[in-house]
Amino acid sequence: DTGVSQDPRHKITKRGQNVTFRCDPISEHNRLYWYRQTLGQGPEFLTYFQNEAQLEKSRLLSDRFSAERPKGSFSTLEIQRTEQGDSAMYLCASSLALGGLEAFFGQGTRLTVV
Amino acid sequence: TQLLEQSPQFLSIQEGENLTVYCNSSSVFSSLQWYRQEPGEGPVLLVTVVTGGEVKKLKRLTFQFGDARKDSSLHITAAQPGDTGLYLCAGPHGSSNTGKLIFGQGTTLQVKP
Repeated sequence: DTGVSQDPRHKITKRGQNVTFRCDPISEHNRLYWYRQTLGQGPEFLTYFQNEAQLEKSRLLSDRFSAERPKGSFSTLEIQRTEQGDSAMYLCASSLALGGLEAFFGQGTRLTVV
Repeated sequence: TQLLEQSPQFLSIQEGENLTVYCNSSSVFSSLQWYRQEPGEGPVLLVTVVTGGEVKKLKRLTFQFGDARKDSSLHITAAQPGDTGLYLCAGPHGSSNTGKLIFGQGTTLQVKP
């Protein structure tokens, strides 16, 4: 394992459908973050986990969004009843809680809602 | 509210030219990071600066952290087409050690051969 892995890389869905993305962090990293990035902008924080505990959620994360990290390993981000405004790149990052200044990002999942 | 403002937002230059990208805030940051992102990919960490006045060099890239730790710059010497991409500065959000980052809006660099 050499980095953060995200699946799928691309997802096209119809409005109203549910979608789920997966993130596998660097194996020894206990913190995992989800960010959303729209075209021409920097990533915006959505939520983060330390081990299996979800410690913070942004107000950007509406009730239609839910994230889990069972057993403190991989994480999933689910969007229910997708809307066109959900179209974005969803990025996952991981880091070490102690001395973890640096976060390492996955390649992202590009979601297009049509 | 912590904000990071990057300038310029877009930069198109010829191969061989020099350029500087700026990242400014009214807030003090304990550290700042610079990332480079290619289209359709995630950001890749280039450098972390932690000490006011610090200068770090990475080949043709020179990063500086302002003395007051409110700003940073990225200077590229003799830019090459391979430098093309979105350059992002980021800093830790708030004072708690959550590792959560806030990002600038990015600078899109295009280097023409």
